[in-house]
Amino acid sequence: QQPVQSPQAVILREGEDAVINCSSSKALYSVHWYRQKHGEAPVFLMILLKGGEQKGHDKISASFNEKKQQSSLYLTASQLSYSGTYFCGTEMGAGNQFYFGTGTSLTVIP
Amino acid sequence: DSGVTQTPKHLITATGQRVTLRCSPRSGDLSVYWYQQSLDQGLQFLIQYYNGEERAKGNILERFSAQQFPDLHSELNLSSLELGDSALYFCASSPTTGYEKLFFGSGTQLSVL
Repeated sequence: QQPVQSPQAVILREGEDAVINCSSSKALYSVHWYRQKHGEAPVFLMILLKGGEQKGHDKISASFNEKKQQSSLYLTASQLSYSGTYFCGTEMGAGNQFYFGTGTSLTVIP
Repeated sequence: DSGVTQTPKHLITATGQRVTLRCSPRSGDLSVYWYQQSLDQGLQFLIQYYNGEERAKGNILERFSAQQFPDLHSELNLSSLELGDSALYFCASSPTTGYEKLFFGSGTQLSVL
């Protein structure tokens, strides 16, 4: 039931764009995105509820395709501060158990 | 600062020993979650408490137990420790029972030697 993320790792140059995908084998109620910088705790980015809405957070946005049971996180014009591991978290029903994905390591280089 | 406090930050102990990790949630948050993070395992959900009651259980070993006290702080007890228990243990809190925005503490790094 743990969602699968792809890619596992990505290296970008400053200013480049990236997409991180999160897929589940089960129907989803919500998808959450968190970023964890090295040696720090995960920090919440955004929640998407089923309905396909897209949300944004500075130059980071996400979409949720409930039919495909997947979510994508879009990082536009990446900055050095975007480096870290990104985790999606999925919930199959309101208040149901929540699973974090496998994680995607993103490194932005000058 | 997330407002979630975890102590201690680091813990070094020997196999077979027992340790207690402590977590104080954000003011007003009723739910506390415990996660284990190993290098190759990502964030594994252990257990959730809501207002003193166990709400959900994940991949928590029988050697591990937790509780949430009336003042809402929580403790995770790990006993008969094995080398494989070495990991970063995070506590998170949220206002209600649902998985809305989680606020994570800075974690306790446990090393079992």
